[in-house]
Amino acid sequence: SAVISQKPSRDICQRGTSLTIQCQVDSQVTMMFWYRQQPGQSLTLIATANQGSEATYESGFVIDKFPISRPNLTFSTLTVSNMSPEDSSIYLCSVAPRQGPNEQYFGPGTRLTVT
Amino acid sequence: AQSVAQPEDQVNVAEGNPLTVKCTYSVSGNPYLFWYVQYPNRGLQFLLKYITGDNLVKGSYGFEAEFNKSQTSFHLKKPSALVSDSALYFCAVRDTGSARQLTFGSGTQLTVLP
Repeated sequence: SAVISQKPSRDICQRGTSLTIQCQVDSQVTMMFWYRQQPGQSLTLIATANQGSEATYESGFVIDKFPISRPNLTFSTLTVSNMSPEDSSIYLCSVAPRQGPNEQYFGPGTRLTVT
Repeated sequence: AQSVAQPEDQVNVAEGNPLTVKCTYSVSGNPYLFWYVQYPNRGLQFLLKYITGDNLVKGSYGFEAEFNKSQTSFHLKKPSALVSDSALYFCAVRDTGSARQLTFGSGTQLTVLP
């Protein structure tokens, strides 16, 4: 398995501002993902973070709102831009160490509240 | 398209009794199936997976799941529940014939009563 850390663990932000969430993995991994878990809801995939190229976004998510960086095989950031209260969620980073039908491992999440 | 359903939002069981958390799926190809558990204020922890082979899959903390292709189900089971098993459980599916990543169910809150 992989050990994943996220910063910050939680934050309270004002509407209209932006927050960057960091995800660090203790080993090189092939695939990294960003999920959103709205209050009382399941997980929704935002995007796949690709190393050295633009992220692949799921339907309903756009780069201007959720820019993602992945400069190397152990680190990624997700920025939530121009926040509104509807962005209040838990944001989770996950990794799949290898290609193929393998499980993903999740970070502890970042709990974001937008006021 | 791929989807997964967890028909029960909440499951209550007495400590020491067997537990079952239900999951059904829909894929166009063959499924890869996963169970995760989420404890309060923590990320998801992987429990077990079905890729191919034996229909009965054993995982962490004494959990197991049975893949039933005819019923398109992958129910999570444990012979004897513990109070510490109380958590939110998610089933997830990935279609082998699709480039899509995991799709998660809505989650089932398991409460084990002492």
